[in-house]
This record gives sequence, structure tokens and C-alpha cells, in this order.
Amino acid sequence: EPEVTQTPSHQVTQMGQEVILRCVPISNHLYFYWYRQILGQKVEFLVSFYNNEISEKSEIFDDQFSVERPDGSNFTLKIRSTKLEDSAMYFCASSEARDRGFEQYFGPGTRLTVT
Amino acid sequence: RKEVEQDPGPFNVPEGATVAFNCTYSNSASQSFFWYRQDCRKEPKLLMSVYSSGNEDGRFTAQLNRASQYISLLIRDSKLSDSATYLCVGFNQAGTALIFGKGTTLSVSS
Repeated sequence: EPEVTQTPSHQVTQMGQEVILRCVPISNHLYFYWYRQILGQKVEFLVSFYNNEISEKSEIFDDQFSVERPDGSNFTLKIRSTKLEDSAMYFCASSEARDRGFEQYFGPGTRLTVT
Repeated sequence: RKEVEQDPGPFNVPEGATVAFNCTYSNSASQSFFWYRQDCRKEPKLLMSVYSSGNEDGRFTAQLNRASQYISLLIRDSKLSDSATYLCVGFNQAGTALIFGKGTTLSVSS
């Protein structure tokens, strides 16, 4: 069964450093997403991406964040200057389409720890 | 702004029990909802979609009540492996991003 993959599984970085989280969405999916989950809190939407551009972003997704699809398979999330409060699980997801009925499938996540 | 609310639990039930979770939502324009399951420190995994007519998959039944704006999940004949957090999920107003509830924790014991 096709699945979303993410690397690394755990990233430890110092405050102020840049990190890039990587995702390989399911191959025939066209819509890609990043979500995050701070420990003990709910999953929160960050950004959606389609046709090589951001289609929607949340208030959390400020200028420190960027996304990119550098090739035909990878989808990345970059945090330019990490803060302590960026520590969270970051989940990538993908779906065949964006319509309300299409399910999103999640990758295993990257645990980001900012020290 | 759309919000999804759930009773956090925990629900502690014995094996074989039937358990039901409810979830309320504030955006009456949403067309579809989902139940995801999340194990500790793992990704949300899609359990089932919930449409106007409801949905049943084996021991799991999901219902949508638009008049009262709530979604339910019924689990029959609970198994130890059902222990997890169950996330009620809907869409934002644009229908482009998932909005998650905080989840309801289920613990099934032998």
C-alpha cells in the first residue's frame, strides 16, 4: 500500500538554526500539506501546496516558514531560524484532490526538538 | 472560524464493550468529516470518512447529525488494540485544510 514517507524521524537543532524537513508524498497525489502537533496539543494545519505553489496557509505559517517541491517526488518544509516554540511533531500529508471528500494521508512525522 | 470539539476522556472500557464518542462542530457549511486514530507519538491514521448518510466499517459506525452539528463514532466489541486517541476532523470553510479536534482517549482493558 502506498504511503507518505518523511525524513528525518527526529531532528535536534539549536535555536536560530535552519532546518529542512523532507517528505515524499504518495506518488499519484497532487495536493500536499504540512501540519504540526505540539506535545499534548491538537494537530494544526500549516500549509497546503498544489501545482508548485502555496494554495493556503495558516497564521502559524509566517515568514520563517517556506515550502518547496524541488523535484518530482520530494516536498520540503524549511524553518529559517528556529525558535524554542517550534519544537513539535511535523506531519506531511497528501491527497488525490482538494475537494472536501478526498482523504488526506499522513506520514510518520518528524519530531523537531529546538534547544 | 470552524472549530471541532471533543470530550477528551479518557474512556476506560473492558474488552467486548461498546463505546461511543461524540464531536461537535461550529461550521454548518462543512460537507464531510473524518475520524482519524492516533497512537501515542504516531501519525494520525484515517479510520473512516463520515458523510451525510453515515458510514459503517466492521465494528465501527460513524454518524453525522447536521441538525445538531455533531458527529459520532461507535465502536462495538472493543479490542485491546482499539486503545488509542480518536480524532474528529472536519474541513475549514474553504474546504482545503483539515481542522482537528483535540481527540478522545480510549483505553480498552482485559
